[in-house]
Amino acid sequence: EAGVTQFPSHSVIEKGQTVTLRCDPISGHDNLYWYRRVMGKEIKFLLHFVKESKQDESGMPNNRFLAERTGGTYSTLKVQPAELEDSGVYFCASSPISWGEQYFGPGTRLTVT
Amino acid sequence: RKEVEQDPGPFNVPEGATVAFNCTYSNSASQSFFWYRQDCRKEPKLLMSVYSSGNEDGRFTAQLNRASQYISLLIRDSKLSDSATYLCVVNLGRGGGADGLTFGKGTHLIIQP
Repeated sequence: EAGVTQFPSHSVIEKGQTVTLRCDPISGHDNLYWYRRVMGKEIKFLLHFVKESKQDESGMPNNRFLAERTGGTYSTLKVQPAELEDSGVYFCASSPISWGEQYFGPGTRLTVT
Repeated sequence: RKEVEQDPGPFNVPEGATVAFNCTYSNSASQSFFWYRQDCRKEPKLLMSVYSSGNEDGRFTAQLNRASQYISLLIRDSKLSDSATYLCVVNLGRGGGADGLTFGKGTHLIIQP
């Protein structure tokens, strides 16, 4: 069974540009999560989808971040416009049930210069 | 007080030794508990879930103490391949179906030959 995949693995953009990250969860997993790790800090929750609906977006830093999950399959996370403090590793995770074990993708390393 | 707190280490341990980590969490309503392992520049990988009764998986034993709000991980007969960062992860139970995970900063373990 394929695991969670994320694209791209790395992205380097200039301040003010737009970047879109993609996550493909494990097939059949209704729950999809986005997390972020900035340098020197712990991994932080951003938001949670159940199928195509946003269940919880309390961790989203501000309105420059937009997440979508059309059709309840893959998800995208867009940062527009990117700021220097957005640099970090963005992880996606999926789970078949709420409150269950979450399985992480390899992450996208975002560098904003 | 941090929501999930761990000793960052590093723990330098000789091969074959037993090592134990503890972690404390702030919210008594927390629903589920996990230990994840993270290798350098990789994604977190689920090591084991933690149950009130305690659970064991090979050389690894996890315990949960709800009254004192702490979680432990014991590694017996440590191997060089156990060197990694161990993340204490809690589902804090924030209500409303919100089940994003809360991570500790991790404990760095180095097994020495």
